[in-house]
Amino acid sequence: RKEVEQDPGPFNVPEGATVAFNCTYSNSASQSFFWYRQDCRKEPKLLMSVYSSGNEDGRFTAQLNRASQYISLLIRDSKLSDSATYLCVVNIEGGSQGNLIFGKGTKLSVKP
Amino acid sequence: EADIYQTPRYLVIGTGKKITLECSQTMGHDKMYWYQQDPGMELHLIHYSYGVNSTEKGDLSSESTVSRIRTEHFPLTLESARPSHTSQYLCASSPSYEQYFGPGTRLTVT
Repeated sequence: RKEVEQDPGPFNVPEGATVAFNCTYSNSASQSFFWYRQDCRKEPKLLMSVYSSGNEDGRFTAQLNRASQYISLLIRDSKLSDSATYLCVVNIEGGSQGNLIFGKGTKLSVKP
Repeated sequence: EADIYQTPRYLVIGTGKKITLECSQTMGHDKMYWYQQDPGMELHLIHYSYGVNSTEKGDLSSESTVSRIRTEHFPLTLESARPSHTSQYLCASSPSYEQYFGPGTRLTVT
């Protein structure tokens, strides 16, 4: 089982749609969780951290379920500019891979 | 936004050449990382450092080496470039858990 698993997509949605991405992680010792956004041929950029209580930043909502080892990202009222690949990222303090494990990403394409 | 810089941004070089990819950050972050990423593919960690004089290999076998003599500087060296090294190389730094990435160096070895 891969350490971080995401549906690769692509998710093709119309402008204004609500879209949800899911991610599962295998190590129950994971402590910190993030969503990154990566545009084509660009570097990943931190979108938001994910907390146990859930957190919201404008149109974006992230949720964490530690019992199920599951993370989600919800995008409401999607914009053309939301088109990108969304990476689920998990931290394992003291892990051999230098702390962060990146999922392969879920590609989102928002159409007019 | 973090201030992390990579040079060169693009490099085309012949097989067998020695190259050094530069990475610098101005935030005083102790942790720094190098990743390799092919187009449309996942990130692979190749080296990381927890501070000055600390370097570790990542999960991707690589013929590259790194050094960390100063906090702000984490260069990556390929002693003998090969076409299989053609890829994007991303540097990142971290104050604690989250990582901030530089713009990357796109390397082509002919």
